[in-house]
Amino acid sequence: NAGVTQTPKFQVLKTGQSMTLQCAQDMNHNSMYWYRQDPGMGLRLIYYSASEGTTDKGEVPNGYNVSRLNKREFSLRLESAAPSQTSVYFCASNQGSLGTQYFGPGTRLLVL
Amino acid sequence: EDKVVQSPLSLVVHEGDTVTLNCSYEVTNFRSLLWYKQEKKAPTFLFMLTSSGIEKKSGRLSSILDKKELFSILNITATQTGDSAVYLCAGNSGGSNYKLTFGKGTLLTVNP
Repeated sequence: NAGVTQTPKFQVLKTGQSMTLQCAQDMNHNSMYWYRQDPGMGLRLIYYSASEGTTDKGEVPNGYNVSRLNKREFSLRLESAAPSQTSVYFCASNQGSLGTQYFGPGTRLLVL
Repeated sequence: EDKVVQSPLSLVVHEGDTVTLNCSYEVTNFRSLLWYKQEKKAPTFLFMLTSSGIEKKSGRLSSILDKKELFSILNITATQTGDSAVYLCAGNSGGSNYKLTFGKGTLLTVNP
């Protein structure tokens, strides 16, 4: 039981390049989330998927797209990376109605 | 817009001290409040609180919720250097998406 896994762990991009961050969970959770974390800013929600087949914008969705491929997998895509997207990205999945979310190990992204 | 405010933003103590971390929230359709610990990697779940006045305890850590005054505290007694971390508080707004709104965190440094 791996919990929530993310790939890659670290990535360097040039401005304008695209990439997809992958996330998978093996806990049979319905809801999945993508956050970014910047120094002094806490965790900010980018997109979420309440259930398979649905996705919704969070607090900071601009410049990102998501795909809920199936119940296990939720990917985050940067179509044209910008230096402002340099951050640590966390994927999470939710257990139950009271909100407990479990986080993946994170992807550190540097956009030059 | 939902809001979670933590204080202090940072705190430096000596081993053996007791610390109290604060979290106030304004969350629509509030369901629960969660505390996480983050040590240079993914946040790990500590507590979930749903009812006022009932203390949750795990070893030297304890937490309580006041739903009337809209705040929670996290206490750590007899601090150890291993308690050094960022402590995050999050409010769950319920509904079908179980979204969390995070505070910016409290950076706790415990010196030997």
